[in-house]
Amino acid sequence: DTGVSQNPRHKITKRGQNVTFRCDPISEHNRLYWYRQTLGQGPEFLTYFQNEAQLEKSRLLSDRFSAERPKGSFSTLEIQRTEQGDSAMYLCASSGLSVDEQYFGPGTRLTVT
Amino acid sequence: AQTVTQSQPEMSVQEAETVTLSCTYDTSESDYYLFWYKQPPSRQMILVIRQEAYKQQNATENRFSVNFQKAAKSFSLKISDSQLGDAAMYFCAYNSYGKLTFGQGTILTVHP
Repeated sequence: DTGVSQNPRHKITKRGQNVTFRCDPISEHNRLYWYRQTLGQGPEFLTYFQNEAQLEKSRLLSDRFSAERPKGSFSTLEIQRTEQGDSAMYLCASSGLSVDEQYFGPGTRLTVT
Repeated sequence: AQTVTQSQPEMSVQEAETVTLSCTYDTSESDYYLFWYKQPPSRQMILVIRQEAYKQQNATENRFSVNFQKAAKSFSLKISDSQLGDAAMYFCAYNSYGKLTFGQGTILTVHP
């Protein structure tokens, strides 16, 4: 069994460019979550999916951010027109419907120069 | 909105000793879950222990145990027989409808 995987692990981009991250959850998990973590802080919730449906989005998720989970398996998080304030670790987690334990991936560290 | 507060930015402990990390939270809900996660430097978040709010019995996982005081909205983590590998950032987290709300974290240093 593999855990939650995320790609890429690191991404350096120039301000104004678009970036896309991928998350592959644990295979039997229905729920998938995205969080953002800045240095020295706890993760902050961005959005989550139950199967392919996006059920909740945080106010942190501006119009430049979009997330998809087209077939209820992997998910992508896209940031358009990146800004320096977008620099952070982007974490993905998954859980089952009847299990409230979320299991985290290793994260994608984004640096916007 | 739910909030989670960890008032100890840093804690230290001698190897083999016991340390307690504090966490308080605020909610108007009666049914929820609480978690402690461990995040070693440059490594991924690991679930340490969970507690269901409707259970009065405190959760225990090997050397890790919690003191859950629902009325006081307090959820502390006790680590017994501390090991060098316990050194990490520890986050307390609240979960009621799926999403986790995290505290600010406590950095734990373990001295040999």
